[in-house]
This record gives sequence, structure tokens and C-alpha cells, in this order.
Amino acid sequence: QKEVEQDPGPLSVPEGAIVSLNCTYSNSAFQYFMWYRQYSRKGPELLMYTYSSGNKEDGRFTAQVDKSSKYISLFIRDSQPSDSATYLCAMGSSNTGKLIFGQGTTLQVKP
Amino acid sequence: DTGVSQDPRHKITKRGQNVTFRCDPISEHNRLYWYRQTLGQGPEFLTYFQNEAQLEKSRLLSDRFSAERPKGSFSTLEIQRTEQGDSAMYLCASSLRGEGSGANVLTFGAGSRLTVL
Repeated sequence: QKEVEQDPGPLSVPEGAIVSLNCTYSNSAFQYFMWYRQYSRKGPELLMYTYSSGNKEDGRFTAQVDKSSKYISLFIRDSQPSDSATYLCAMGSSNTGKLIFGQGTTLQVKP
Repeated sequence: DTGVSQDPRHKITKRGQNVTFRCDPISEHNRLYWYRQTLGQGPEFLTYFQNEAQLEKSRLLSDRFSAERPKGSFSTLEIQRTEQGDSAMYLCASSLRGEGSGANVLTFGAGSRLTVL
């Protein structure tokens, strides 16, 4: 079993839809949770990160963490065609220097 | 500073040849990471350095792979006797890691794509 599981999709939605992306994890030592966005043939870029359970909002993006269920989500409101990309969840802790990534979910927002 | 730079962006080689990739991190960052990413998968950790010290290597990293970070600045990743299974995107990232338990935010380069024929 992988430490971080993420549904690869692909996910196709119409412009303006609310998108929900999810990851589950097995390692309870993870302390911080990140979402990266990766466009084709580019490196991943950080969208947002959070430490604790609960919600964190940044513009059209909301990150949600439920540590009791080992489940994290990223919500995108009013999705735009420019949001079409692969979304990667990543997790880490102070005990380790590395981030562990999920498989990535490919999102396509159709105009 | 323009971020994390990787060179070359694309390398095509024949099986059995050696290849070397270079990464120039963000100048004030003390940590440097190498990840490998294949099509449809997330980045897979290979190794990382804090300054010039290599602190961790993945068990998946065979002895054909070697990474260095002399003087704690740029880093090189060498793959000896390449195999077709080595074909992937090799991503470099850097971060500034201080004391405490703050999130380790990695900034990635655009990657070096390796194709082994």
C-alpha cells in the first residue's frame, strides 16, 4: 500500500463548476499537507499548504484536512480552463526532509 | 534569481551510456532534492542534500545513480549504464529549511527529460 493514494482521474468538468480533488494517506506522522499544480512538461508549483485539520482558503482554492480520517481535499470554485492541469497532493513531517507525493489527478476544464 | 534551473531539458541517449544532469537551486536555499517522475505518476523521491551533505537516499536508487552537491551550491545527478527503464523526467527542487517544524516548501525546476533508446 502506498503512503499516499490519489485518484488519477482524468476528471473533466465544465467551466464554472466546483471541483473536488482528494487524497488519502496512511502515515499518521505527516504534519503538513500541500497541493501542487503541474502543467504539461513543467515542474510542479505550490498552490497552498496547511498544517492542521480544518479548512484554509486562498481565492478560489480551499484546502481541507481531516487528520482523524487521514483524508485531504482541494476544492476549486468557479473553475476556469486555465485550471486544466495535474494536481498533486504532497505530505511531510519535521522528522523527514522529503515530501511524499500522490499519483496526481488530471483535471480538464472545458469552456 | 530566476528559480531552480535544470540542464539539459531533454536528453536522448542509447542504452548503456552515461548521462549527467545539473541543477542550480535558488541561491539562498540550503536543501536540494532530486525526484523522478514517470508518465501518469507523481514525483518519486530519490535523494536530498542539506548544504553539501547527502542526508537521505531512496532504497529505490540503484548503485548506477549517484548525486553530488559540491560546496553546497549546484548539484549533479549521474546515471551510469542507462537502461530503458530509466526513461523519466528528473526533477530538481530546493528549499530553505531552518530550525523548527515549519512546512518544508519545495520549489521545483522544469525538469530534465531522459529518453533511453
